[in-house]
Amino acid sequence: QKEVEQDPGPLSVPEGAIVSLNCTYSNSAFQYFMWYRQYSRKGPELLMYTYSSGNKEDGRFTAQVDKSSKYISLFIRDSQPSDSATYLCAIRTGANNLFFGTGTRLTVIP
Amino acid sequence: DAGITQSPRHKVTETGTPVTLRCHQTENHRYMYWYRQDPGHGLRLIHYSYGVKDTDKGEVSDGYSVSRSKTEDFLLTLESATSSQTSVYFCAISEGTSGGREFFGPGTRLTVL
Repeated sequence: QKEVEQDPGPLSVPEGAIVSLNCTYSNSAFQYFMWYRQYSRKGPELLMYTYSSGNKEDGRFTAQVDKSSKYISLFIRDSQPSDSATYLCAIRTGANNLFFGTGTRLTVIP
Repeated sequence: DAGITQSPRHKVTETGTPVTLRCHQTENHRYMYWYRQDPGHGLRLIHYSYGVKDTDKGEVSDGYSVSRSKTEDFLLTLESATSSQTSVYFCAISEGTSGGREFFGPGTRLTVL
């Protein structure tokens, strides 16, 4: 079993839609939760970072962590064509051992 | 890309040849990492460094070696490249504190024929 599972998609939505991206994890020792955005042929870019259960909001993006269910989500409101990218969840226990999901490819159609 | 450069950005080589990829940072971060990214596998850790001359293996270290002689530089070497090492390689850096955020470089696309 992989440490982190992520639905690879692809996911295609119309502009303005709310997007929900999800990951599950198996190790309850994981403490830090991140979402990266990766445009084609670019390096991953850190989008959201949180270490507690609950919601964290940054503009149109909301990261949600449910430690009891070992489930994390990223919501994108009012999605834009510029949001078209691959989104990677990443989870860690401490300074090392960062585990990535395989990524979900999102396309926002104008 | 958070003060991280990788060189070369693209390389095509033949099976059996040695290859060295370079990562350079200007952030003075303690931790540096090498990942490979492949379809269906996501990002997988090859090796990492927690200081000058201090390195350790990651999940997929076989066939790779690393060196860090200066804080700012982290080298990844494929001693004898194989076709299975065709991949996109990313360097990342982190301050290294517990839960530290990792920032990635632009990547090196390596093709082994």
